[in-house]
Formats: sequence, structure tokens, C-alpha cells
Amino acid sequence: AQSVTQLGSHVSVSEGALVLLRCNYSSSVPPYLFWYVQYPNQGLQLLLKYTTGATLVKGINGFEAEFKKSETSFHLTKPSAHMSDAAEYFCAVSRTGANSKLTFGKGITLSVRP
Amino acid sequence: GAVVSQHPSWVICKSGTSVKIECRSLDFQATTMFWYRQFPKQSLMLMATSNEGSKATYEQGVEKDKFLINHASLTLSTLTVTSAHPEDSSFYICSATFRVKSVNEQFFGPGTRLTVL
Repeated sequence: AQSVTQLGSHVSVSEGALVLLRCNYSSSVPPYLFWYVQYPNQGLQLLLKYTTGATLVKGINGFEAEFKKSETSFHLTKPSAHMSDAAEYFCAVSRTGANSKLTFGKGITLSVRP
Repeated sequence: GAVVSQHPSWVICKSGTSVKIECRSLDFQATTMFWYRQFPKQSLMLMATSNEGSKATYEQGVEKDKFLINHASLTLSTLTVTSAHPEDSSFYICSATFRVKSVNEQFFGPGTRLTVL
């Protein structure tokens, strides 16, 4: 079985500050890991993903995440927050293979203060 | 590329009526589509996996007679909420699977807001 833990429900940062959203996963097999962003009343947009290879993954909008197997973590970071980053962020895990069923974390709301 | 649409984007219906939501992959063929339900301020809950030409696989606790899923073609899956009640009010999101660099990746539709009066 797989699971994702996103601690906390809300993170607030100032514009220009570092963004750090934490994600820990549990998986019995090598996982594929994803971060999605959701703006109000919209679907999910993929920010970045880790499948194999380089453990530091760069995504869209200046976000990146590092897969740390020893810590079972896949934390999302951005050096400098922008007002437009305010949204809901979901970490997700899936098994490798043909069935790409995703298991989502509960999500975390990012607020950006002017 | 890999665009997924949903129709309608929002719908209001009376209790007891049925509502059909369409999910289309616009520029690719998707053998697998997924249907999710999302309550306010909560995560996505997978309802069912829809495979083209076969019966959908429902997650535990999801009533298959309540939420009818049809995946008649490689670009279209439909979710019908039968005899809708206020507790069925929710945000329904579909996704379609497309292979990107040997990895099956889900592309999400914009969601459908269902309100049952």
C-alpha cells in the first residue's frame, strides 16, 4: 500500500521568501512522485515529477523537489515566492508500471503575503 | 498537448434527477481515465478507474449503481450521477492517462462543480 503525508494544512510566506512544502511518502516499491498545483475551482496542473534518475527535479514556475529515499521525502521548494504561487499543492505517489493510479496527500494551502 | 476537457463546468440540478458529466481527451487517446471527487478544502478521492471498452473498477465504498461510468471510446468517458441528492454535491475531476517518456502520466480536466438542490 502507498500513502502520502503532507504535514500542516496551511503555509504562509512573504513575497520573495523561500517556499518549502513538505511531503513524505510510504511505498513498498520504488515510487513515482508528483507535485500538483490547484487553483480555485480548477483541475490539477503538474508542477514536476520524479520517476528515475536525477533526484533533484526541476519543474515549472521555478519549483523544484528532491527525492530522498533514505528520508522517504519529496519536499517542494521555490527560492522566491510570487503572489501568483498562492494555491493548493498536492503531493502524490504512484507505483511504477502500467496502472498509474495516484495516491494523493491531503494537500496544503500556500498563501503569499505582499 | 495532452489536454483534457470536462463538460459541463458546473451544473445545478434538483434532487432525484440524474446528471451526466463528460470527460474528453482532446489531442490524445487515453485507454485509462480516472474519476475523482473533491470536497471543499480536501484532497482528491479516487472514485473509479475507467478503461476503454470494459467495465469501470470502483474504489471501495463507491456505489457503482449510483455513479455510472462509461468509457465508450478512447477519447471519452462519462460519469452519470443517478438520482442525485444534496450529499452528492461536490467537485468532480477526471484525468486521462498519456504515456510521457515511458511513464504513464495523468492529465487532469478542469473539474465539474455539481450542486444538488
